Amino acid sequence: AQSVSQHNHHVILSEAASLELGCNYSYGGTVNLFWYVQYPGQHLQLLLKYFSGDPLVKGIKGFEAEFIKSKFSFNLRKPSVQWSDTAEYFCAVTAGRNTGKLIFGQGTTLQVKP
Amino acid sequence: NAGVTQTPKFQVLKTGQSMTLQCAQDMNHEYMSWYRQDPGMGLRLIHYSVGAGITDQGEVPNGYNVSRSTTEDFPLRLLSAAPSQTSVYFCASSLGQGWVNEQFFGPGTRLTVL
Repeated sequence: AQSVSQHNHHVILSEAASLELGCNYSYGGTVNLFWYVQYPGQHLQLLLKYFSGDPLVKGIKGFEAEFIKSKFSFNLRKPSVQWSDTAEYFCAVTAGRNTGKLIFGQGTTLQVKP
Repeated sequence: NAGVTQTPKFQVLKTGQSMTLQCAQDMNHEYMSWYRQDPGMGLRLIHYSVGAGITDQGEVPNGYNVSRSTTEDFPLRLLSAAPSQTSVYFCASSLGQGWVNEQFFGPGTRLTVL
């Protein structure tokens, strides 16, 4: 069964620091990859997604992610974080063409200190 | 459009009680799903539906029932609540079968079972 693993459970950064959150998935076939964000007290919102094409995808609020097929990874990056980026971040994957099932990672809590 | 709506926002049950969590979407989405969110475990898929009259199990279906009589509504039923079902429940929907489409999430229902 496919699974998603996020390596960092809790990350604390100062404003302007660079961010990289790791995400690895286990599935040998074609996948769609997503990063969702959940701000405190709010529901999940899509940050970015990868379906095909350029493996470097750009999302909202200055986030980007790189799909490295050989490493089964889809790491999220941001060059300079802001206090407003404090949130929980989830990596997710759908696999196979006949299902819309999203499999989520455990989530990473990001705390940005002002 | 209201998007995905969920009621109630908060609920406290006693062990053994039953209840239904409501979910509705006004985007004419075919695909709807229910997740539960627990600390350190991310979101786990409970049940999903690829269209009216069609439902299937996700990762953690035990103790939950669903039905999909209309495109708009996808209620989740707890037949006999247990403390292990204390969680935050999210409903989501997407256009088509979700393979290539973003899922939109509702605001969540926080359920406590005593």
